[in-house]
Amino acid sequence: NAGVTQTPKFQVLKTGQSMTLQCAQDMNHEYMSWYRQDPGMGLRLIHYSVGAGITDQGEVPNGYNVSRSTTEDFPLRLLSAAPSQTSVYFCASSYYAGGGGLEQFFGPGTRLTVL
Amino acid sequence: SQQGEEDPQALSIQEGENATMNCSYKTSINNLQWYRQNSGRGLVHLILIRSNEREKHSGRLRVTLDTSKKSSSLLITASRAADTASYFCATDAGGGSEKLVFGKGTKLTVNP
Repeated sequence: NAGVTQTPKFQVLKTGQSMTLQCAQDMNHEYMSWYRQDPGMGLRLIHYSVGAGITDQGEVPNGYNVSRSTTEDFPLRLLSAAPSQTSVYFCASSYYAGGGGLEQFFGPGTRLTVL
Repeated sequence: SQQGEEDPQALSIQEGENATMNCSYKTSINNLQWYRQNSGRGLVHLILIRSNEREKHSGRLRVTLDTSKKSSSLLITASRAADTASYFCATDAGGGSEKLVFGKGTKLTVNP
């Protein structure tokens, strides 16, 4: 199994451009999430999905859109990139572990710079 | 807002020593998890402890949870250079939330 894959690994955008960060998982997990990580910070939740066709906002959703048409894929769209969106983006898929909590599996990340 | 706060922010020790990191949180939880992040990589799940558990072990890792103090600690025994990483605690918001909230992490350096 490849686990969680993310593309691209690096991206540079100009202010105002749009793009889509791709995320795919092959573990048949129902839950998927997008986080951003800024220097010296933990991860902040952007959007998440509890299954195909169902998405919801996290802590910092502004400027981002998501959709979940299949169990495997959960793309993140930046509508009009801004310098404040310069960050490392992580996608995660998860399932309910034996302890009743969501155990998350993370992709390798996409490092995005907005000029 | 972040639910968990790790302490210390950075920790430097010698190989073979034990490393202890602490996490405090604000609201009631169903469970608490610890993750490791190597430089430039994604997070890796280490251990989950439920709110009705006080201690859990996994290899050289020992996690404790004190719900009365809203705090948890992660102990790594006999540390190795390969343990050098950032460590994050993550909590659910209680009530069956599908969202995990991460702290800012403790950066651990283990010197050979």
